Amino acid sequence: KNEVEQSPQNLTAQEGEFITINCSYSVGISALHWLQQHPGGGIVSLFMLSSGKKKHGRLIATINIQEKHSSLHITASHPRDSAVYICAVPMNYGGSQGNLIFGKGTKLSVKP
Amino acid sequence: NAGVMQNPRHLVRRRGQEARLRCSPMKGHSHVYWYRQLPEEGLKFMVYLQKENIIDESGMPKERFSAEFPKEGPSILRIQQVVRGDSAAYFCASSPLTGLSTTGELFFGEGSRLTVL
Repeated sequence: KNEVEQSPQNLTAQEGEFITINCSYSVGISALHWLQQHPGGGIVSLFMLSSGKKKHGRLIATINIQEKHSSLHITASHPRDSAVYICAVPMNYGGSQGNLIFGKGTKLSVKP
Repeated sequence: NAGVMQNPRHLVRRRGQEARLRCSPMKGHSHVYWYRQLPEEGLKFMVYLQKENIIDESGMPKERFSAEFPKEGPSILRIQQVVRGDSAAYFCASSPLTGLSTTGELFFGEGSRLTVL
């Protein structure tokens, strides 16, 4: 059974700063998800990745399969990036892909 | 091109009543997942369904909870005889993937917030 650790739990940054959020997991996976939960509660899928690196606008996600570690980076952070960022991986390697185990989330607050 | 639609967005029930939460996946998606987020806690997987089939219900409580995804209509998460501990946000997600073990991007609904008085 997989376990997911995210760090930091809380992060406060000034507008424009470069942000890094980390996620480690314990069991081999087919893919890892990064999600964003808005202050209103809605959830948006940011990335699903199984190797290397993906970029979308100011967001970059990387994964190192050997080290069982992923990072989410935000460049030129903005107050609208304030949200909870959640990492999720499959519960078991080869198990049903929707059976995810979620990190506790990183609460990001970007000050103007 | 509507996203995943969940309703109701907010539901209040008294202890012992039934709660029915509905989820319509994105057009073309035939895989639906339900997750629960208890207050101040992280998301937890409940059940994975395809049309007319429950694929993985390993996260569902053994009693009072059931889910279905009929051939026609939305997926429904049903909670019978609700208790205060059922108060939570229930999220539905859908995926376009075609294989059981193939990981696909998940598209989430806005969630249904159940309050049990």
